[in-house]
This record gives sequence, C-alpha cells and structure tokens, in this order.
Amino acid sequence: QQQVKQSPQSLIVQKGGISIINCAYENTAFDYFPWYQQFPGKGPALLIAIRPDVSEKKEGRFTISFNKSAKQFSLHIMDSQPGDSATYFCAALMEYGNKLVFGAGTILRVKS
Amino acid sequence: SAVISQKPSRDICQRGTSLTIQCQVDSQVTMMFWYRQQPGQSLTLIATANQGSEATYESGFVIDKFPISRPNLTFSTLTVSNMSPEDSSIYLCSVSSGVGSYNEQFFGPGTRLTVL
Repeated sequence: QQQVKQSPQSLIVQKGGISIINCAYENTAFDYFPWYQQFPGKGPALLIAIRPDVSEKKEGRFTISFNKSAKQFSLHIMDSQPGDSATYFCAALMEYGNKLVFGAGTILRVKS
Repeated sequence: SAVISQKPSRDICQRGTSLTIQCQVDSQVTMMFWYRQQPGQSLTLIATANQGSEATYESGFVIDKFPISRPNLTFSTLTVSNMSPEDSSIYLCSVSSGVGSYNEQFFGPGTRLTVL
C-alpha cells in the first residue's frame, strides 16, 4: 500500500509532441502528489505538485491530471523540447506525514 | 526555495572505511531528510534528521550503519559506515519547511559514492 507505480519506464517523444507519464497508488491516505525532474548528476528538482481536491493543475507546459476515484495521476508535457530530456519521478506524501514515496522513474528522451 | 549544498560532491572509497557527507542549507528549515538513490533506481528514504535528538530511521536502515547528526536547523551529516560495494549510490539531502501535507521538499545536488 506504500507503493506508487509509475509507467512507462522510458519514453521517446519527438520535439513538439506531448509526453505523458502515469502513476497509480493504493493508499488513500496519500494527499499530496509532487513530480520531480532529475538531470544526470543533479538532485531531483520539484517540477509541479497537486492536491487531491483538484483534478488538474497547469504550470506552463507542464500539467498534472488527477483522478481521485481511480487513484491515478499523470504528468503531461506539452510541446516537448530536447531540454526536457531527463528522468521524471512521481511521488506521494501522506496526510500529516513527511515520508515521500517515489515511483520508479521514467527516462524521457525528446528527439529533435 | 532553500539553497542546499552537499560535500563532498563525489568520492571513491575503499571497502571497510567510513565517509561523512555534509548537508548545509542557506536558511533554517524544519525538516531534513537523507535519501539513497542506487544506480539507475528511484529514491529511498534512509532517515529523518531530527534537530537535537536521534534520527528516525526507515525500515531496513540502522543507526550503526548510517549515523546521522543534526546539530542545528541548517546543517546535518550522514555517515556511511564500514562501507561495502553495495553502498555505492547517490546520497541526497532534502529539506522541508514544515511538517505534514503540502510541504514541498527540496533536494540537494547529491553525493555520488563509489566503494571499491
């Protein structure tokens, strides 16, 4: 129940296309869902996050869609650029908790 | 967001030795955490560094192997003791400004450790 399942493991998208990464969870006590972007040799950087009381959050080209009933959430990267090539991690945090539970990660490559 | 630095950025160590990793934040933070990221893998929480008291360890991690100190609200250390090649990983410090939900966690650049 502590797991967050992330897919796909890797993704290749053409420049200008839409990148979609999916995550699913079981524990309904999770109530904060951030996405992190990690470049090689760097620490993860917080990209965007959502709470379960909203179904969608958009920041620039990045959008999180959240389906509370299905216990699923996804990251959409619009107009994907080669500079978006990185590893993306979804995560979940329990209410009143501090432990972030991470998905396995998705390696995104945007081809120019 | 807070600026987080870690020292060393990378190291190559011999089996059986210990390495202490430092994490420094440019502002006072409530929570500090240590994570491990094995090669090509996701992040796993090692422990929460508590200021003025013993760290809180996650299942599978013990104080004898990963002693942690947090003497104040801006600094913490993680020691990897009696190292083996299986300890080769990236060790990451993260911080949060509060306790509970919706508190963003920010990560340092990591320390890449190779054990021979």
